[in-house]
Amino acid sequence: EAGVTQFPSHSVIEKGQTVTLRCDPISGHDNLYWYRRVMGKEIKFLLHFVKESKQDESGMPNNRFLAERTGGTYSTLKVQPAELEDSGVYFCASSQDRRRGYTFGSGTRLTVV
Amino acid sequence: AQKITQTQPGMFVQEKEAVTLDCTYDTSDPSYGLFWYKQPSSGEMIFLIYQGSYDQQNATEGRYSLNFQKARKSANLVISASQLGDSAMYFCAMREGSNTGKLIFGQGTTLQVKP
Repeated sequence: EAGVTQFPSHSVIEKGQTVTLRCDPISGHDNLYWYRRVMGKEIKFLLHFVKESKQDESGMPNNRFLAERTGGTYSTLKVQPAELEDSGVYFCASSQDRRRGYTFGSGTRLTVV
Repeated sequence: AQKITQTQPGMFVQEKEAVTLDCTYDTSDPSYGLFWYKQPSSGEMIFLIYQGSYDQQNATEGRYSLNFQKARKSANLVISASQLGDSAMYFCAMREGSNTGKLIFGQGTTLQVKP
């Protein structure tokens, strides 16, 4: 079974530019999550999709972040315009059972300069 | 208040010895889940072990066991017979409640296994 795939693995962009991160969950997993780890801090929850619906987006930092999951398959997380404080590692995870069994991707390391 | 606390920023252990990584949590919800993840230098997050709040027995997965002390709100990870490949960062996390998929993470502990 293929795992959770994220790309790009690394992205370096200038402040003010737009970046789109993509996550392909494990096939059949209805639950998809985005997390972020800013340098030196804890991994923080951003949002949770169940199929194509946003179940919980309480962790989204501001309206510069837009997440979508069209058709309930892959998801994108767009940052527009990017700011320096958006730098960090963005993780995606998926699960079939939200109580356990979360599988994480390898993350996208975003650097805003 | 910190929901998940890992008080050990870094730990060393001799190869083949056992090591305990500490984790305490804070919740008033009777239903919760506790997770441990390993993050090697390659960056991926690897699921190690899960403990549900209503589970009667401590979880075990191979060389990993979770020392669950509910009254003390602690969920320490025990790695037996450490291997060089165990060198990594380890995160404790909690799912608070039964209707959420959101995980709350601790700060992480870096484990270095010495040959």
